[in-house]
Amino acid sequence: DAKTTQPNSMESNEEEPVHLPCNHSTISGTDYIHWYRQLPSQGPEYVIHGLTSNVNNRMASLAIAEDRKSSTLILHRATLRDAAVYYCIRPAPYNQGGKLIFGQGTELSVKP
Amino acid sequence: DTAVSQTPKYLVTQMGNDKSIKCEQNLGHDTMYWYKQDSKKFLKIMFSYNNKELIINETVPNRFSPKSPDKAHLNLHINSLELGDSAVYFCASSHGTGNNEQFFGPGTRLTVL
Repeated sequence: DAKTTQPNSMESNEEEPVHLPCNHSTISGTDYIHWYRQLPSQGPEYVIHGLTSNVNNRMASLAIAEDRKSSTLILHRATLRDAAVYYCIRPAPYNQGGKLIFGQGTELSVKP
Repeated sequence: DTAVSQTPKYLVTQMGNDKSIKCEQNLGHDTMYWYKQDSKKFLKIMFSYNNKELIINETVPNRFSPKSPDKAHLNLHINSLELGDSAVYFCASSHGTGNNEQFFGPGTRLTVL
């Protein structure tokens, strides 16, 4: 059970911002939210993670709702290379080995 | 300077054979994982090892036997291969468990004929 819900697919135009939503209504107070992406024919790649406040890194920003029941991954300027499946994940806790439970993810296509 | 490497990249074999996939990481991590991605693209954890000790076994058939000779290696041996074992297998590693970033290898595409 992935415990997160994402749209199956989204489209974006190149050089425009992209907002990828994720619902995680059963999240507990200590659950982090992680985002990974999988480019075609590659292994998953870490994007960003956060707990309560918004987070930024060189790849993306993560906006977490105040009630923590949803979050949004923001790609500020989509490039063709950003076309991938994006997974919103709640890693298992430390005592369950920290496994990543992948859902279906959101397939992002980027149009030139 | 590949962080997580897997060999082979492709593996085609007959039903009933035994095969191994090797994984090595040069990141100094102490935790390694095997994931399976099926034909519908669902990724699922199979095993996790921390400091060479098994910590997760997600009800994988005992035909699958992981072996961790040291913290940098986690190999996957599969006995009596079945058609349903055809998938892409990804190795990953992390520093500890929990909320640490996992680094994935490029995957091994296994095809059982």
